[in-house]
Amino acid sequence: GESVGLHLPTLSVQEGDNSIINCAYSNSASDYFIWYKQESGKGPQFIIDIRSNMDKRQGQRVTVLLNKTVKHLSLQIAATQPGDSAVYFCAEKGAAGNKLTFGGGTRVLVKP
Amino acid sequence: DAGVIQSPRHEVTEMGQEVTLRCKPISGHNSLFWYRQTMMRGLELLIYFNNNVPIDDSGMPEDRFSAKMPNASFSTLKIQPSEPRDSAVYFCASRQGDYTGELFFGEGSRLTVL
Repeated sequence: GESVGLHLPTLSVQEGDNSIINCAYSNSASDYFIWYKQESGKGPQFIIDIRSNMDKRQGQRVTVLLNKTVKHLSLQIAATQPGDSAVYFCAEKGAAGNKLTFGGGTRVLVKP
Repeated sequence: DAGVIQSPRHEVTEMGQEVTLRCKPISGHNSLFWYRQTMMRGLELLIYFNNNVPIDDSGMPEDRFSAKMPNASFSTLKIQPSEPRDSAVYFCASRQGDYTGELFFGEGSRLTVL
């Protein structure tokens, strides 16, 4: 898959450090949120999701935080590894319907 | 499971030609989505189907684009006539269930219109 390129915000992280990727969403009525990872030449891959009735959810090495007051979503990656280098997208679903709207993406570069 | 299968992976065509992109969703998934990804606009939803029925096609750019899902295991996205600005990576994705849950993406079809 082709990642959104020239104007992507980029986060450079030292291997082993924690990463925090932020996302501001637009629709206060959105009730479901997902983080996706896209590696070069591939399709987006699901990482973790969270419903609007929660403010935190943990997975393996990842944590998603949801702040509905300021419409902010974050993804925390613990002990970042070279394989975590990719573009990360947040996506939101409105309360009505099935439509998932993606944000612009953040490129994460892990330095060895 | 083989995942969502898209074809072709790459296509180069000339302006004015018809382009047909194909998708086989994961067996048992009842929702299918077509997305387009470009550097300028990111990932855009074009259309999605639920139980083979088009639900929302508001993202389809114009009449040159059409999508069909004749059965639960096959969908096509057609562009006719194609234009250079249609150059993008087109992704198909499928999901089990109506509203939430993991959306599985294919590897994409990279289209270049000269």
